[in-house]
Amino acid sequence: QKEVEQDPGPLSVPEGAIVSLNCTYSNSAFQYFMWYRQYSRKGPELLMYTYSSGNKEDGRFTAQVDKSSKYISLFIRDSQPSDSATYLCAMMAQKLVFGQGTRLTINP
Amino acid sequence: ETGVTQTPRHLVMGMTNKKSLKCEQHLGHNAMYWYKQSAKKPLELMFVYNFKEQTENNSVPSRFSPECPNSSHLFLHLHTLQPEDSALYLCASSQDREDTQYFGPGTRLTVL
Repeated sequence: QKEVEQDPGPLSVPEGAIVSLNCTYSNSAFQYFMWYRQYSRKGPELLMYTYSSGNKEDGRFTAQVDKSSKYISLFIRDSQPSDSATYLCAMMAQKLVFGQGTRLTINP
Repeated sequence: ETGVTQTPRHLVMGMTNKKSLKCEQHLGHNAMYWYKQSAKKPLELMFVYNFKEQTENNSVPSRFSPECPNSSHLFLHLHTLQPEDSALYLCASSQDREDTQYFGPGTRLTVL
Protein backbone atom coordinates (compact mmCIF):
# COMPACT_ATOMS: atom_id res chain seq x y z
CA GLN A 1 0.00 0.00 0.00
CA LYS A 2 1.29 3.43 -0.93
CA GLU A 3 1.80 5.87 1.94
CA VAL A 4 -0.20 8.52 0.06
CA GLU A 5 -2.94 7.78 -2.47
CA GLN A 6 -4.17 10.41 -4.89
CA ASP A 7 -6.42 9.91 -7.89
CA PRO A 8 -4.37 11.03 -10.91
CA GLY A 9 -7.45 12.06 -12.88
CA PRO A 10 -7.57 13.72 -15.31
CA LEU A 11 -10.38 15.85 -13.94
CA SER A 12 -12.20 18.28 -16.24
CA VAL A 13 -14.86 20.73 -15.00
CA PRO A 14 -16.56 23.85 -16.37
CA GLU A 15 -15.49 27.32 -15.28
CA GLY A 16 -17.19 28.41 -12.07
CA ALA A 17 -17.62 24.91 -10.70
CA ILE A 18 -16.50 23.85 -7.24
CA VAL A 19 -13.58 21.45 -7.46
CA SER A 20 -12.77 18.83 -4.83
CA LEU A 21 -9.35 17.17 -4.80
CA ASN A 22 -8.56 14.44 -2.29
CA CYS A 23 -5.78 12.32 -0.84
CA THR A 24 -5.77 9.47 1.63
CA TYR A 25 -2.81 8.31 3.65
CA SER A 26 -1.82 5.37 5.78
CA ASN A 27 0.94 6.76 8.03
CA SER A 28 -0.55 8.22 11.21
CA ALA A 29 2.80 9.93 11.92
CA PHE A 30 2.12 12.57 9.25
CA GLN A 31 1.63 15.91 11.00
CA TYR A 32 1.94 18.55 8.30
CA PHE A 33 -0.16 18.58 5.16
CA MET A 34 0.44 20.59 2.03
CA TRP A 35 -1.03 21.18 -1.38
CA TYR A 36 1.23 22.15 -4.25
CA ARG A 37 0.15 23.39 -7.67
CA GLN A 38 2.29 22.58 -10.69
CA TYR A 39 1.74 24.26 -14.03
CA SER A 40 3.04 22.62 -17.17
CA ARG A 41 6.83 22.91 -17.54
CA LYS A 42 7.16 24.50 -14.07
CA GLY A 43 8.15 23.30 -10.63
CA PRO A 44 5.56 22.74 -7.90
CA GLU A 45 4.56 25.86 -5.93
CA LEU A 46 3.18 25.74 -2.41
CA LEU A 47 -0.52 26.53 -2.35
CA MET A 48 -1.75 25.60 1.13
CA TYR A 49 -0.11 24.40 4.35
CA THR A 50 -2.00 22.96 7.33
CA TYR A 51 -1.01 21.35 10.58
CA SER A 52 -4.11 20.33 12.47
CA SER A 53 -7.42 18.76 11.61
CA GLY A 54 -10.05 21.17 10.36
CA ASN A 55 -10.34 23.74 7.60
CA LYS A 56 -8.01 26.46 6.38
CA GLU A 57 -9.23 29.01 3.89
CA ASP A 58 -7.23 31.25 1.55
CA GLY A 59 -9.28 33.13 -1.01
CA ARG A 60 -11.01 30.64 -3.27
CA PHE A 61 -9.05 27.72 -1.81
CA THR A 62 -9.96 25.68 1.28
CA ALA A 63 -7.79 22.90 2.66
CA GLN A 64 -9.43 20.33 4.88
CA VAL A 65 -7.71 17.74 7.06
CA ASP A 66 -9.42 14.83 8.81
CA LYS A 67 -6.75 12.98 10.77
CA SER A 68 -9.19 10.44 12.18
CA SER A 69 -10.04 9.28 8.64
CA LYS A 70 -6.54 9.95 7.26
CA TYR A 71 -8.07 12.05 4.52
CA ILE A 72 -7.26 15.50 3.18
CA SER A 73 -9.06 17.64 0.63
CA LEU A 74 -8.55 20.80 -1.36
CA PHE A 75 -11.62 22.71 -2.50
CA ILE A 76 -11.50 25.36 -5.20
CA ARG A 77 -14.51 27.68 -5.42
CA ASP A 78 -15.46 29.63 -8.55
CA SER A 79 -12.84 27.74 -10.53
CA GLN A 80 -11.03 29.63 -13.29
CA PRO A 81 -9.21 28.43 -16.43
CA SER A 82 -6.00 29.68 -14.76
CA ASP A 83 -6.52 27.01 -12.08
CA SER A 84 -5.80 24.35 -14.71
CA ALA A 85 -2.71 22.55 -13.41
CA THR A 86 -1.60 19.41 -11.62
CA TYR A 87 -2.32 19.49 -7.89
CA LEU A 88 -0.03 17.50 -5.60
CA CYS A 89 -0.81 16.65 -2.02
CA ALA A 90 2.19 16.22 0.28
CA MET A 91 2.62 15.15 3.87
CA MET A 92 5.44 15.43 6.34
CA ALA A 93 6.63 13.17 9.12
CA GLN A 94 10.44 12.98 9.01
CA LYS A 95 10.35 13.56 5.27
CA LEU A 96 7.96 14.93 2.68
CA VAL A 97 5.91 12.30 0.85
CA PHE A 98 3.95 13.28 -2.25
CA GLY A 99 0.84 11.94 -3.88
CA GLN A 100 0.88 11.17 -7.59
CA GLY A 101 -0.85 14.45 -8.46
CA THR A 102 -4.26 15.14 -10.00
CA ARG A 103 -4.35 16.80 -13.39
CA LEU A 104 -7.16 19.40 -13.42
CA THR A 105 -8.57 21.25 -16.42
CA ILE A 106 -11.08 24.10 -16.06
CA ASN A 107 -13.00 24.60 -19.30
CA PRO A 108 -14.11 28.16 -20.21
CA GLU B 1 10.21 31.13 -9.11
CA THR B 2 13.31 33.31 -8.67
CA GLY B 3 13.81 31.93 -5.12
CA VAL B 4 15.21 28.65 -6.47
CA THR B 5 16.80 28.59 -9.91
CA GLN B 6 17.91 25.63 -11.96
CA THR B 7 20.07 25.34 -15.05
CA PRO B 8 19.85 24.14 -17.68
CA ARG B 9 16.08 24.02 -18.14
CA HIS B 10 16.37 21.36 -20.83
CA LEU B 11 19.12 18.81 -21.46
CA VAL B 12 19.49 16.08 -24.04
CA MET B 13 22.39 13.71 -23.57
CA GLY B 14 23.67 10.39 -24.83
CA MET B 15 24.27 7.46 -22.55
CA THR B 16 28.04 7.98 -22.61
CA ASN B 17 27.98 11.71 -21.86
CA LYS B 18 28.81 13.45 -18.61
CA LYS B 19 26.78 16.48 -17.65
CA SER B 20 25.84 18.43 -14.52
CA LEU B 21 22.65 20.04 -13.29
CA LYS B 22 22.90 23.16 -11.17
CA CYS B 23 20.59 24.53 -8.51
CA GLU B 24 20.89 27.79 -6.62
CA GLN B 25 18.64 29.06 -3.85
CA HIS B 26 18.39 32.71 -2.86
CA LEU B 27 16.26 32.15 0.24
CA GLY B 28 18.91 31.68 2.90
CA HIS B 29 17.76 28.10 3.51
CA ASN B 30 19.85 25.40 5.15
CA ALA B 31 18.45 22.29 3.46
CA MET B 32 18.44 21.40 -0.23
CA TYR B 33 16.94 18.46 -2.11
CA TRP B 34 17.01 16.68 -5.45
CA TYR B 35 13.80 15.03 -6.68
CA LYS B 36 13.00 13.02 -9.80
CA GLN B 37 9.57 13.45 -11.39
CA SER B 38 8.52 10.87 -13.96
CA ALA B 39 5.21 10.68 -15.78
CA LYS B 40 2.41 9.12 -13.74
CA LYS B 41 4.61 8.64 -10.67
CA PRO B 42 4.88 10.60 -7.43
CA LEU B 43 7.86 12.83 -6.87
CA GLU B 44 10.81 10.66 -5.83
CA LEU B 45 13.23 12.09 -3.30
CA MET B 46 16.81 11.40 -4.38
CA PHE B 47 19.16 13.29 -2.06
CA VAL B 48 18.96 15.61 0.92
CA TYR B 49 21.62 18.03 2.11
CA ASN B 50 21.39 19.83 5.42
CA PHE B 51 24.03 22.46 6.20
CA LYS B 52 26.06 21.15 3.22
CA GLU B 53 26.13 17.61 4.59
CA GLN B 54 24.35 14.79 2.79
CA THR B 55 21.78 13.38 5.16
CA GLU B 56 19.79 11.16 2.85
CA ASN B 57 20.41 9.06 -0.24
CA ASN B 58 17.34 7.11 -1.27
CA SER B 59 19.11 4.19 -2.94
CA VAL B 60 19.98 6.30 -5.95
CA PRO B 61 22.25 4.62 -8.54
CA SER B 62 25.86 5.78 -8.51
CA ARG B 63 25.52 7.24 -12.01
CA PHE B 64 23.91 10.18 -10.16
CA SER B 65 26.43 12.03 -7.99
CA PRO B 66 25.38 15.05 -5.93
CA GLU B 67 27.61 17.86 -4.74
CA CYS B 68 26.85 20.66 -2.30
CA PRO B 69 29.76 23.12 -2.10
CA ASN B 70 27.82 25.57 0.08
CA SER B 71 24.32 26.00 1.47
CA SER B 72 23.17 27.99 -1.60
CA HIS B 73 24.34 25.69 -4.38
CA LEU B 74 23.57 22.10 -5.25
CA PHE B 75 24.77 20.10 -8.23
CA LEU B 76 23.78 16.76 -9.69
CA HIS B 77 26.53 15.19 -11.79
CA LEU B 78 25.34 12.71 -14.37
CA HIS B 79 27.34 10.01 -16.18
CA THR B 80 26.49 6.91 -18.21
CA LEU B 81 22.76 7.43 -17.76
CA GLN B 82 20.07 5.14 -19.12
CA PRO B 83 17.02 6.12 -21.20
CA GLU B 84 14.78 5.36 -18.18
CA ASP B 85 16.54 8.20 -16.36
CA SER B 86 14.73 10.66 -18.64
CA ALA B 87 12.55 12.78 -16.34
CA LEU B 88 12.09 16.20 -14.79
CA TYR B 89 14.71 16.77 -12.10
CA LEU B 90 13.59 19.19 -9.45
CA CYS B 91 15.63 20.99 -6.83
CA ALA B 92 14.03 22.28 -3.64
CA SER B 93 15.13 24.07 -0.50
CA SER B 94 13.74 24.63 2.97
CA GLN B 95 14.77 26.62 6.00
CA ASP B 96 15.40 23.46 7.95
CA ARG B 97 14.95 19.78 7.31
CA GLU B 98 11.25 19.64 8.33
CA ASP B 99 10.12 23.01 6.99
CA THR B 100 8.11 23.83 3.90
CA GLN B 101 10.00 23.13 0.69
CA TYR B 102 10.23 25.55 -2.21
CA PHE B 103 10.90 24.18 -5.66
CA GLY B 104 12.84 25.33 -8.67
CA PRO B 105 11.43 25.08 -12.22
CA GLY B 106 13.24 21.81 -12.91
CA THR B 107 15.52 20.48 -15.62
CA ARG B 108 13.83 18.36 -18.29
CA LEU B 109 16.36 15.62 -19.03
CA THR B 110 16.20 13.34 -22.06
CA VAL B 111 18.66 10.46 -22.34
CA LEU B 112 19.00 9.03 -25.83
